[in-house]
Amino acid sequence: DAGITQSPRHKVTETGTPVTLRCHQTENHRYMYWYRQDPGHGLRLIHYSYGVKDTDKGEVSDGYSVSRSKTEDFLLTLESATSSQTSVYFCAISPGGWGTDTQYFGPGTRLTVL
Amino acid sequence: AQSVTQPDIHITVSEGASLELRCNYSYGATPYLFWYVQSPGQGLQLLLKYFSGDTLVQGIKGFEAEFKRSQSSFNLRKPSVHWSDAAEYFCAVGSAGRRALTFGSGTRLQVQP
Repeated sequence: DAGITQSPRHKVTETGTPVTLRCHQTENHRYMYWYRQDPGHGLRLIHYSYGVKDTDKGEVSDGYSVSRSKTEDFLLTLESATSSQTSVYFCAISPGGWGTDTQYFGPGTRLTVL
Repeated sequence: AQSVTQPDIHITVSEGASLELRCNYSYGATPYLFWYVQSPGQGLQLLLKYFSGDTLVQGIKGFEAEFKRSQSSFNLRKPSVHWSDAAEYFCAVGSAGRRALTFGSGTRLQVQP
């Protein structure tokens, strides 16, 4: 199994509060991704990173920001959480940066926004 | 734009029966195709992938998938299902021009004893 951890694994928060989710990898892969999983939608890309301090938006990036100060850590921040951001969040890593490369997924973080 | 359709939201099979999960994709060029499995409360685990070459690919846990370009399909099969195969299965497509994978909405497999 790829060495990917996510923290916290579960979180309940209130509307309007900031939330930060962490993804940590031990594989030294350059590319890291944040997806959200919602029933009937599969997984959708929020943001990705192609190196330290290099990030870009995915298809559902509104309301989210990311940061990557070290190769091994990729943070996802909800500046002001809303109920529509209740979801399961998955981090993924890959050695290459394109859809031709296998992506390996972390265990997920279940976020509930009340 | 690329897209993935998994027509079956939920499938129930008996233990020991054969299984086929359908996946249809839409993409103009040669796609890179993946099947992932997600057990309850777990992350996604790669079952198999197709990049090129032999259109029948073997994966882990006894699964296989066949790429059929003429039908734009990449169906997942297993000859004999085990109770531990109960999970949700996702088909995904990637391409050289995009960073992210595009996922189908998933098929939940239930296995009856």
